[in-house]
Amino acid sequence: AQSVSQHNHHVILSEAASLELGCNYSYGGTVNLFWYVQYPGQHLQLLLKYFSGDPLVKGIKGFEAEFIKSKFSFNLRKPSVQWSDTAEYFCAVNAKGAQKLVFGQGTRLTINP
Amino acid sequence: NAGVTQTPKFQVLKTGQSMTLQCAQDMNHEYMSWYRQDPGMGLRLIHYSVGAGITDQGEVPNGYNVSRSTTEDFPLRLLSAAPSQTSVYFCASSSQGRVTEAFFGQGTRLTVV
Repeated sequence: AQSVSQHNHHVILSEAASLELGCNYSYGGTVNLFWYVQYPGQHLQLLLKYFSGDPLVKGIKGFEAEFIKSKFSFNLRKPSVQWSDTAEYFCAVNAKGAQKLVFGQGTRLTINP
Repeated sequence: NAGVTQTPKFQVLKTGQSMTLQCAQDMNHEYMSWYRQDPGMGLRLIHYSVGAGITDQGEVPNGYNVSRSTTEDFPLRLLSAAPSQTSVYFCASSSQGRVTEAFFGQGTRLTVV
């Protein structure tokens, strides 16, 4: 069965700091990878996704993620965070050809002004 | 553009009561699913459906029933509410035959007392 681990449960940064949130998954086959963001009191929104091709994918709001197949990782990065990035971030995986999305536990990001 | 609509947004139930959480989408998506979100546990799949008349269990199906009589609607029924079902519930939909980018509803915050 697929599983997803996000090792950082709560990250606190100051504005302009660089961000990297870890995501590792366990599945031996080909996968699609996603990062979703949930702003306080809101629903989940897609931040970025990887299906195939260039392992470095760029998403909205200056976020990017790199797929490293050998490490089963899909870490999320942003060079300079803003207060408005305060949210919860979820990594999700699904096996190619399958519909089910498996989510990680989520990382709460707090940005101090 | 309505997308995925969930009702109600908030609900308080007494232990043993039953209720139905409504979910409707207007994107003609074949795949719909229900998740519950609990602190530190991410989103866990309750039930899903790959099309009208077809449903299947997810990771945490006990205590919940679903049906899919139309493409648009995917209600979630709590048969006899328990305090352990206090959670935030999200409905999601995606288009089958494409890579599974899921669209989420606004969520239903359910408290069982």
